[in-house]
Amino acid sequence: EMQLVESGGGLVQPGGSLRLSCAASGLTFSTYWMSWVRQAPGKGLEWVANIKEDGSEEYYVDSVKGRFTISRDNAKKSVYLEMSSVRAEDTGVYYCARERTTSGWYLDYWGQGTLVTVSS
Amino acid sequence: QFVLTQPPSVSEAPRQRVTISCSGSTSNIGNNGVNWYLQFPGKPPKLLIYYDNLLPSGVSDRFSGSRSGTSASLAISGLQSEDEAVYFCAAWDERLNGPVFGGGTKLIVL
Repeated sequence: EMQLVESGGGLVQPGGSLRLSCAASGLTFSTYWMSWVRQAPGKGLEWVANIKEDGSEEYYVDSVKGRFTISRDNAKKSVYLEMSSVRAEDTGVYYCARERTTSGWYLDYWGQGTLVTVSS
Repeated sequence: QFVLTQPPSVSEAPRQRVTISCSGSTSNIGNNGVNWYLQFPGKPPKLLIYYDNLLPSGVSDRFSGSRSGTSASLAISGLQSEDEAVYFCAAWDERLNGPVFGGGTKLIVL
């Protein structure tokens, strides 16, 4: 059974840093793009970043460019989101998800999420 | 401030049919397939429909999707109380070079 498990969330002060991790099991991790999607409390979904199967390409939503970095370690079947210079508006649940592009673009498996709270 | 526009809520009685709309533009829905997710409180989103009208394995055929021009719709027939959830649409956006979501629609089963 495929599983994605996020970790690393918590309370961080504005301007601080945090590293989120997502460990995958039950899938051939190295053959899929992976995404991070976040959800502010009581709000909708916002795509944050994604990374190509081999880590050679990465893309970000404008609001996090220059502050967040996505990376992956295929040997460990893990994807990471390094967050720096965080702001109050970065608060929310962060989900990692597997991307599919065989029939359009979509996210077919999601983790349970990890909560990031940016507050002093 | 979401790129795709959904109604905040819709309501219908059990056993009836309801549709949820999703409006976008030529850079997203107009040229790319739409997918739909449902989310229960405190749970992660779950894929419901992809590429406009394809159902992942295990999803009930009471759910169906369609796309026309720059809009898409999710239809749920034979409504059940357990269908109460928030439904999100999403599509790739060529101008933004990334995926965009709707703000979500809360389905209330009366």
